[in-house]
Amino acid sequence: DVKVTQSSRYLVKRTGEKVFLECVQDMDHENMFWYRQDPGLGLRLIYFSYDVKMKEKGDIPEGYSVSREKKERFSLILESASTNQTSMYLCASTKAGGRANEQYFGPGTRLTVT
Amino acid sequence: GDSVTQMEGPVTLSEEAFLTINCTYTATGYPSLFWYVQYPGEGLQLLLKATKADDKGSNKGFEATYRKETTSFHLEKGSVQVSDSAVYFCALLAGGTSYGKLTFGQGTILTVHP
Repeated sequence: DVKVTQSSRYLVKRTGEKVFLECVQDMDHENMFWYRQDPGLGLRLIYFSYDVKMKEKGDIPEGYSVSREKKERFSLILESASTNQTSMYLCASTKAGGRANEQYFGPGTRLTVT
Repeated sequence: GDSVTQMEGPVTLSEEAFLTINCTYTATGYPSLFWYVQYPGEGLQLLLKATKADDKGSNKGFEATYRKETTSFHLEKGSVQVSDSAVYFCALLAGGTSYGKLTFGQGTILTVHP
């Protein structure tokens, strides 16, 4: 069974802390994505990666960075957490190429910044 | 840029009622279209997809037809069940090289009562 796993389901951090969210996929997918999900706004793309060490900004990259040192692992970093980064964070992966490749999602990490 | 607009929610129905969730899109070229579903406490999973005009995607009793002339991909089900209660997202994958990036609508919350 294909799987995308995220390091935590729930996380509570203080303002100013550095936060690491980890995502691992076991499907040998080339592309990986980080989204945040907020009510009424749907999913918004933060960053994505199409290969090891390659990354591209999404629609809302400010305040975030990413790291992809291995193909199966994609990390989202909040350099200095702020309360407006309280949200649900979803990781996804997909195979490269094709017009209809399915994105596979992890269960999400609900981050609260106090 | 590309965009997806879904009907406002939430939607509340009785069991066995007919469901329609409207989705329209704006995109250059010829996108592929998707419906994803998010059950409570889970990540998103693919419900159905269509890759070209007049294609009909179907799964678990849900259907959607890719209508190029009206730029729409409305989700329908003839008889909903309590277990269909979830958040539904319409999404598009732009034609050409896009690294599998999806553009999502804002999501529609569906609640089905017995």
